[in-house]
Amino acid sequence: GQQLNQSPQSMFIQEGEDVSMNCTSSSIFNTWLWYKQEPGEGPVLLIALYKAGELTSNGRLTAQFGITRKDSFLNISASIPSDVGIYFCAGHLGLRGGAQKLVFGQGTRLTINP
Amino acid sequence: DSGVTQTPKHLITATGQRVTLRCSPRSGDLSVYWYQQSLDQGLQFLIHYYNGEERAKGNILERFSAQQFPDLHSELNLSSLELGDSALYFCASSVAGTSGRPSYNEQFFGPGTRLTVL
Repeated sequence: GQQLNQSPQSMFIQEGEDVSMNCTSSSIFNTWLWYKQEPGEGPVLLIALYKAGELTSNGRLTAQFGITRKDSFLNISASIPSDVGIYFCAGHLGLRGGAQKLVFGQGTRLTINP
Repeated sequence: DSGVTQTPKHLITATGQRVTLRCSPRSGDLSVYWYQQSLDQGLQFLIHYYNGEERAKGNILERFSAQQFPDLHSELNLSSLELGDSALYFCASSVAGTSGRPSYNEQFFGPGTRLTVL
């Protein structure tokens, strides 16, 4: 089945540093989504990417949809304590008959030292 | 707040029992998805319903079943529970279910139900 390889698995950084994480896949996706999850809560959608090569920003977050449609990265600039959490990439598959599913990466756990 | 609601927030039960998890999608969303999140497996897709019809199945066990009702809320039924079924169960919703705008593919997650099987 489809798998997403997300890296790094964890990051320990200082407040104010920039962060970069990425996802790669052996499969092509038509949409890439980036989510953030905090303890005890559901994933929250941060950025959605629809076209190969697309670069999209949401405040201090920037994400890109790879040209090959098999990868995506997420950058966070000037990190702050509230950026702590687990970040997931997800590739969207539209299947036959209108079926839909998301395939998730394993997550990147971000820890920030103040 | 994503607009997706799930009940209960926590559920503790014993092996062999049956439980029902409930989800109400965002207003206007026709698709409901169920995911299981465990420590060693990450977020795993279970099943997708669109406007009351099952559209896709993922790694859903035969002991698990789901349905979507005419008012679009959905229930996930877990039976003959085992210790390994302990996990977070998330519901998500989206507009999509048929072809449409790419933004229809965005899925919005509820707060989850934490199931503990003892």
